[in-house]
Amino acid sequence: EVQLAESGGGLVPPGGSLRLSCVASEFTFSNYNMNWVRQAPGKGLEWVSSIGSSGSIIYYADSVRGRFTISRDNTKNSLFLQMNSLRVEDTAVYFCARSKPFDYWGQGTLVTVSS
Amino acid sequence: IQLTQSPSLLSASVGDRVTIACRVSQGISSFLAWYQQKPGKAPKLLIYAASTLQSGVPSRFSGSGSGTEFTLTISSLQPEDFATYYCQHLNSYSYSFGQGTKLEIK
Repeated sequence: EVQLAESGGGLVPPGGSLRLSCVASEFTFSNYNMNWVRQAPGKGLEWVSSIGSSGSIIYYADSVRGRFTISRDNTKNSLFLQMNSLRVEDTAVYFCARSKPFDYWGQGTLVTVSS
Repeated sequence: IQLTQSPSLLSASVGDRVTIACRVSQGISSFLAWYQQKPGKAPKLLIYAASTLQSGVPSRFSGSGSGTEFTLTISSLQPEDFATYYCQHLNSYSYSFGQGTKLEIK
């Protein structure tokens, strides 16, 4: 069974930084595009960023471009999201998801930006 | 690209046939997916390429449309179908979602 496990969430003050990780198992990670999606409390889904299988193709939502950086390490079956200059409105559960369409999702990790 | 779902809230009963619409601000051919999300859970892929049922998804779910108008239909609602549904476009360089449709028990 495909598994995706996010980690790295927590409480951070406005302007701070956080690095999220997503570890994949039970599939050939290096063959798949990967994605980050977030969901603010009580709100809908918001696509954040996507990365191609080799890491050479990267897309960002306008709301995070210039502040967030997506990356991957295919030798460790891992996806990352470096989040800098965090804002209160970045508070959300962050999900990693596989492929396009997004066929498998992790359970999410909560990021809270607050003073 | 903007996606607008209607209605935002839908009340229905077990056994009903329901339809959720997704209107896209520019043509995306058939690059559209539908997801189901239950409270506290990750979303689940139901349909992709506008009308292709994801493996393991019950056949009461169906999708149609192309270009700018899409629909998700549930032919006979079951108790486990009460959830929030999202459309998502998979065209171009961003993969934005609709605002969601909450399907509640009447």
